[in-house]
Amino acid sequence: DVVMTQSPLSLPVTLGQPASISCRSSQSLVHNDGNTFLNWFRWRPGQSPRRLIYKVSNRDSGVPDRFSGSGSGTDFTLKISRVEAEDVGVYYCMQGTHWPYTFGQGTNLEIK
Amino acid sequence: QVHLVESGGGVVQPGRSLRLSCVASGFNFGAFGFHWVRQTPGKGLEWVGIIWYDGSNKYYTDSVKGRFTISRDNSKNTVYLQMNSLRPEDTAVYYCATLNTPLDLWGQGTLVTVSS
Repeated sequence: DVVMTQSPLSLPVTLGQPASISCRSSQSLVHNDGNTFLNWFRWRPGQSPRRLIYKVSNRDSGVPDRFSGSGSGTDFTLKISRVEAEDVGVYYCMQGTHWPYTFGQGTNLEIK
Repeated sequence: QVHLVESGGGVVQPGRSLRLSCVASGFNFGAFGFHWVRQTPGKGLEWVGIIWYDGSNKYYTDSVKGRFTISRDNSKNTVYLQMNSLRPEDTAVYYCATLNTPLDLWGQGTLVTVSS
């Protein structure tokens, strides 16, 4: 199985400051069709997870443009340009290229 | 409005079985594959498995292979997760989800507790 490794696991951030989460996969996430199926999700306590980014860098509908995704191959990054209070939660990367799909361990973003 | 609603969770003894249901509404159910994802406090999110839009293919994570089965009834807009030989480590909130582009839709989750 593809192992997804996130860092950091805990991310205290001051409001208005940027934040960055790294996600590395144990093998390339480039699919045979040329797509790279790397997604980012956020989970908040009491809520269902929500996808923020699909195929590395595409924002889902309604996701603020302060969120951006980048990367290629085995190395990916989620960035928040200016953290707001509503951004608190646990962020997960997930690969959808190889079976079985796999998630990273999660990064807990909190406000300092 | 588009919705996924899970049901069927509860407390069950190790070794027993449970069937979860996920009812969809507000969109063309038959055009979508469905995933089951579970969440535990200790391990975070774990992808459980998928069933294709027409039921022709299913994939599972290794830890549930041979014990869990995903099925669907397109006439009832419902996806099922049959869980057999349950273990304490299967304790989690179980979500069904489309994980589709552009329709990424999740249910509210249903709690399964495996305990004697």
